[in-house]
Amino acid sequence: EDQVTQSPEALRLQEGESSSLNCSYTVSGLRGLFWYRQDPGKGPEFLFTLYSAGEEKEKERLKATLTKKESFLHITAPKPEDSATYLCAVDRGSTLGRLYFGRGTQLTVWP
Amino acid sequence: DAGVIQSPRHEVTEMGQEVTLRCKPISGHNSLFWYRQTMMRGLELLIYFNNNVPIDDSGMPEDRFSAKMPNASFSTLKIQPSEPRDSAVYFCASSNLGTQYFGPGTRLLVL
Repeated sequence: EDQVTQSPEALRLQEGESSSLNCSYTVSGLRGLFWYRQDPGKGPEFLFTLYSAGEEKEKERLKATLTKKESFLHITAPKPEDSATYLCAVDRGSTLGRLYFGRGTQLTVWP
Repeated sequence: DAGVIQSPRHEVTEMGQEVTLRCKPISGHNSLFWYRQTMMRGLELLIYFNNNVPIDDSGMPEDRFSAKMPNASFSTLKIQPSEPRDSAVYFCASSNLGTQYFGPGTRLLVL
């Protein structure tokens, strides 16, 4: 069965302490892998789409990478405003745009 | 663009009452998705439409739930009768077979 697993479930970092979030997937025929950020009380906000192994994308302190089995969201020198839940989702390409979401990683950055 | 619009933002109702959630997708998007999010189960896909046609409703928990998309700019999710276990945040998202953009959600509490 297709599966998207995110780890860790929760991560606490001190401001400036870089780290990575992991998203592993077992879907066949990956069409795209998506990263979203969700703040409390709000809907998920789109961050990145990755389409092929080796691809990387960056936005401010965030960099997303993709391999054939997993994706990493690297956070460099995080700030408290980076605190949020980060969701990973995959598009199998055969389901008219349906995304399969992981459970997310809740990131807390303290000053 | 105003993004995906959902109403109401908050709904408190009593068990047994009918609840109707509304969604206006981003103009030009041809796919619309209804999700439910809880702490226990994370983000679950309930149903999605492509060109106003329901494609997959296997995520709809029971016959108490129904969804319609009468035109490209409007969709409803109805729960009748509502039960306390339906309490959750319900999100609508739209896309053009690519990135999904989420609305702010409707927080539903069934007493």
